[in-house]
Amino acid sequence: EIVMTQSPATLSVSPGERATLSCRASQSVSSNLAWYQQKPGQAPRLLIYGASTRATGIPARFSGSGSGTEFTLTISSLQSEDFAVYYCQQYNNWPSLTFGGGTKVEIK
Amino acid sequence: QVQLVESGGGLVKPGGSLRLSCAASGFTFSDYSMSWIRQAPGKGLEWVSYISSSGSTIYYADSVKGRFTISRDNAKNSLYLQMDSLRAEDTAVYYCTRGRPFDYWGQGTLVTVSS
Repeated sequence: EIVMTQSPATLSVSPGERATLSCRASQSVSSNLAWYQQKPGQAPRLLIYGASTRATGIPARFSGSGSGTEFTLTISSLQSEDFAVYYCQQYNNWPSLTFGGGTKVEIK
Repeated sequence: QVQLVESGGGLVKPGGSLRLSCAASGFTFSDYSMSWIRQAPGKGLEWVSYISSSGSTIYYADSVKGRFTISRDNAKNSLYLQMDSLRAEDTAVYYCTRGRPFDYWGQGTLVTVSS
């Protein structure tokens, strides 16, 4: 099973600042990497797929990069609605489609 | 618009069974693979099971293999998860999701396994 490791566990950022979240895979997942955002009491929402393609309706301030084992989600200028938990997930290796443990982005 | 609505959650005793349903609308259900994802209280996301668009390919997480059964009825635009031999560690919100990666999610249904 591929293990997905996210860092940091918690990121404290001021509104308007840039946030950089990392995700590492225990073996290559090519570009088959997605990012999800989850707010309290809500279902997760797909942000990025294919490591760098924004899902429908996702603002341009969200960007993804990386391939193989190292990936990054960048939020260029944090808005109040962006404070949430972010998960990466690989969908390259079957049958287990593993998620990372999540990064909580909180207000500094 | 795409909608996924789960139902069937509730309180069940260890060793008991429960059947979850997911009603899909707003898209051609038979064109998409579907999955169940769960989230234990205060924890992260765990993929549970996958079924291809035709139902011919099915996968399970090791944690549920042999106890859970995924199925679908394309004529009824519905996805199911039969959960048997339930354990306390199966307590979670269960989400129905579309595609791979998971581009749409339902609101979830809570399953609580407790005596």
